[in-house]
Amino acid sequence: DVKVTQSSRYLVKRTGEKVFLECVQDMDHENMFWYRQDPGLGLRLIYFSYDVKMKEKGDIPEGYSVSREKKERFSLILESASTNQTSMYLCASSLLGFTNTGELFFGEGSRLTVL
Amino acid sequence: KQEVTQIPAALSVPEGENLVLNCSFTDSAIYNLQWFRQDPGKGLTSLLLIQSSQREQTSGRLNASLDKSSGRSTLYIAASQPGDSATYLCAVKMDTGNQFYFGTGTSLTVIP
Repeated sequence: DVKVTQSSRYLVKRTGEKVFLECVQDMDHENMFWYRQDPGLGLRLIYFSYDVKMKEKGDIPEGYSVSREKKERFSLILESASTNQTSMYLCASSLLGFTNTGELFFGEGSRLTVL
Repeated sequence: KQEVTQIPAALSVPEGENLVLNCSFTDSAIYNLQWFRQDPGKGLTSLLLIQSSQREQTSGRLNASLDKSSGRSTLYIAASQPGDSATYLCAVKMDTGNQFYFGTGTSLTVIP
């Protein structure tokens, strides 16, 4: 089974702190994604990556950056956390598609609270 | 830009009832459509994936259908159980690009 693992299920940080959210997948997927999920707003794409060192902005990249140094690992970085970044963060991965199913797999989520 | 809509936003049914959840999308140039389940505070679990060339997929009590030309998919749940209570989301992957587009989900409550 494909596994997408997010390093922290719950985090509490203070305003201004630097926050790292780590995500690892074990199925050699090219694509990796970071979403945030808020009540009434659904899933919103922050960043995605289709290869090592490659990244593309999603719908809400402001205040975030990402790093993909190895194929299996995709990190989300909040350079200076703010209270409006309190949210559920979801990592996902998939094969590229077009020669395969392109099925999307999610991690368990990281609930971040910024005080 | 692709828009994915799920109606109703919430649904409450008695145990044992068969039910249908709806998903519609505006751009039919999709590669696949996927149905997910999400329990409170958890990530999304993949239920069924339908490729654009397929009409339906089945897994146990779940059956998903796809009508690409009309921009609709349905998730049929047979003989609902309290354990089916969750939020159900659909997502489409387009023919081009790497992004997925999500509906806002239907929150299902199955009453014992």
